[in-house]
Amino acid sequence: DAGITQSPRHKVTETGTPVTLRCHQTENHRYMYWYRQDPGHGLRLIHYSYGVKDTDKGEVSDGYSVSRSKTEDFLLTLESATSSQTSVYFCAISDQGGVHYGYTFGSGTRLTVV
Amino acid sequence: AQSVTQLDSHVSVSEGTPVLLRCNYSSSYSPSLFWYVQHPNKGLQLLLKYTSAATLVKGINGFEAEFKKSETSFHLTKPSAHMSDAAEYFCVVSVTNSGYSTLTFGKGTMLLVSP
Repeated sequence: DAGITQSPRHKVTETGTPVTLRCHQTENHRYMYWYRQDPGHGLRLIHYSYGVKDTDKGEVSDGYSVSRSKTEDFLLTLESATSSQTSVYFCAISDQGGVHYGYTFGSGTRLTVV
Repeated sequence: AQSVTQLDSHVSVSEGTPVLLRCNYSSSYSPSLFWYVQHPNKGLQLLLKYTSAATLVKGINGFEAEFKKSETSFHLTKPSAHMSDAAEYFCVVSVTNSGYSTLTFGKGTMLLVSP
């Protein structure tokens, strides 16, 4: 989607290895979010950020950490990947917390942990 | 706590017939509600949103939804299905925690459209 880029688009990694996913935006939006999508569960919030160096946990934060050192980048790290973290990860952005305008989503990162 | 329940995991219709995707919400106050669509192997696209203005909300591609407080529902409809409508649809509610709002998604409804 325009203004938001996720990298990599696909990744295969081994159990126990660290993995970092990157979300980059060019919209200068304050809020950024990481979700994971699994069949039968919809999208579930992992972490979100409401400003540089300001982050908070979502519904499924265990095993994940995030960092936001500048407005445009929001990194999601799996410290030691497990097979249960095989999923499609979506980044989203919003300028007013999403209450009135919803989010703009990236194209997703498909992560496979073997 | 705010949440949404999508009542059908799959809905099948024939091209040209009406579409109804059902969503109930739970909220202690008037919520902000959204419908998103995801086509196969694609990202998510906002279809429409309700934010306490008109109760009948019109979205893109001919979809609309009606907010019914008495029934705590926000069902998505379209008069005539097209093959290109085949996708997964998510009902979403805005949730406020620790002073910040995030979006909570339903589990999704897969819409299948047959010729």
